[in-house]
Amino acid sequence: GQNIDQPTEMTATEGAIVQINCTYQTSGFNGLFWYQQHAGEAPTFLSYNVLDGLEEKGRFSSFLSRSKGYSYLLLKELQMKDSASYLCAVPRGGSQGNLIFGKGTKLSVKP
Amino acid sequence: DSGVTQTPKHLITATGQRVTLRCSPRSGDLSVYWYQQSLDQGLQFLIQYYNGEERAKGNILERFSAQQFPDLHSELNLSSLELGDSALYFCASSVELRSEQYFGPGTRLTVT
Repeated sequence: GQNIDQPTEMTATEGAIVQINCTYQTSGFNGLFWYQQHAGEAPTFLSYNVLDGLEEKGRFSSFLSRSKGYSYLLLKELQMKDSASYLCAVPRGGSQGNLIFGKGTKLSVKP
Repeated sequence: DSGVTQTPKHLITATGQRVTLRCSPRSGDLSVYWYQQSLDQGLQFLIQYYNGEERAKGNILERFSAQQFPDLHSELNLSSLELGDSALYFCASSVELRSEQYFGPGTRLTVT
């Protein structure tokens, strides 16, 4: 079957760096997505990894290891507005359409 | 603003009723997805359309149905509503099946 695991909650300090991990099991890998979701709002697209390695996009970077079924999202220079849930998602059953989402990691950034 | 619009923003209705949620995808996007998000279940895929045709079904109940119209907007119909159907319903769109999805603001459904 397909499964995604993420920590439920994390806390970090403003200005610091935090790493949010995601492990997945899927039949036929077709990439991994990260989304940010503020409470009560829509998820917003952050990154897409299909090859192994680190993709950097401003303060956010995402890493993928296909052999380990593992990804992480790295957030640098944390700001209060980064307090949100971070969702890891993979395409269902190897398709490249609809997504299976993890339950999300709720990040709280403290002053 | 993702460019995906959803109406209504909030909906309060009684058990047993039927409601219709509407979604307009981003300009140029052919694929539309519907997701349900409740507190205990996270974001669950319901159904997907591509250029007017159903492409995939997820955890969608038989009481729920959807369609995508020629102008590419989509509607999700929920009938015989139960208390457990209370949730946020999101629509997302993508330009192709292989690209990232952009989510609308959601419809918060409350069944009383």
